[in-house]
Amino acid sequence: AQSVTQPDIHITVSEGASLELRCNYSYGATPYLFWYVQSPGQGLQLLLKYFSGDTLVQGIKGFEAEFKRSQSSFNLRKPSVHWSDAAEYFCAVEVGTNAGKSTFGDGTTLTVKP
Amino acid sequence: GAVVSQHPSRVICKSGTSVKIECRSLDFQATTMFWYRQFPKKSLMLMATSNEGSKATYEQGVEKDKFLINHASLTLSTLTVTSAHPEDSSFYICSAREGGGAGEQFFGPGTRLTVL
Repeated sequence: AQSVTQPDIHITVSEGASLELRCNYSYGATPYLFWYVQSPGQGLQLLLKYFSGDTLVQGIKGFEAEFKRSQSSFNLRKPSVHWSDAAEYFCAVEVGTNAGKSTFGDGTTLTVKP
Repeated sequence: GAVVSQHPSRVICKSGTSVKIECRSLDFQATTMFWYRQFPKKSLMLMATSNEGSKATYEQGVEKDKFLINHASLTLSTLTVTSAHPEDSSFYICSAREGGGAGEQFFGPGTRLTVL
């Protein structure tokens, strides 16, 4: 079964600093990969997704992620963090043979210091 | 983008009562809907997958008689927590997908259930 690991439970960055959130997956083939953001008490919003093609994908709110097959990683990045980026971030993996079900990582909480 | 709504957003009920949560796709037809449960500071746990017009598929360890799921139309799925107990208190989130197979899910805003 596929699994998703987000090694960092909590990350704190200063406003304006760069950000990288890590995500590693375990699956034999290349799955579909997603990053979602969740604000407190809210549902999930899709930031970006990778299905195939260019391994560097651009998302909303200035986020990007790079798929690295050799490292089974799909790390999320943002060059300059804004205070409004403080939230919970989830990486998710989906394989077509699993009835379209997604497996989520445990999430990374981002705190932004002024 | 596609919009998914949930109702109610927050519900408080007494132990032993049943609670129904609705999930609607507002501007697309959802062939598949998913129901998740999220505990505080935790990831989403998939409870069940529901396809329009057929019985839901429950994940291992999820009691189907306790968490009744109905997907009667392409825009509506409901989750009924029967005989709720305090341990059922949680944040329930639905998501919807337009087609079958893999691809993007659109998430509802979630429902906070508190059982007293």
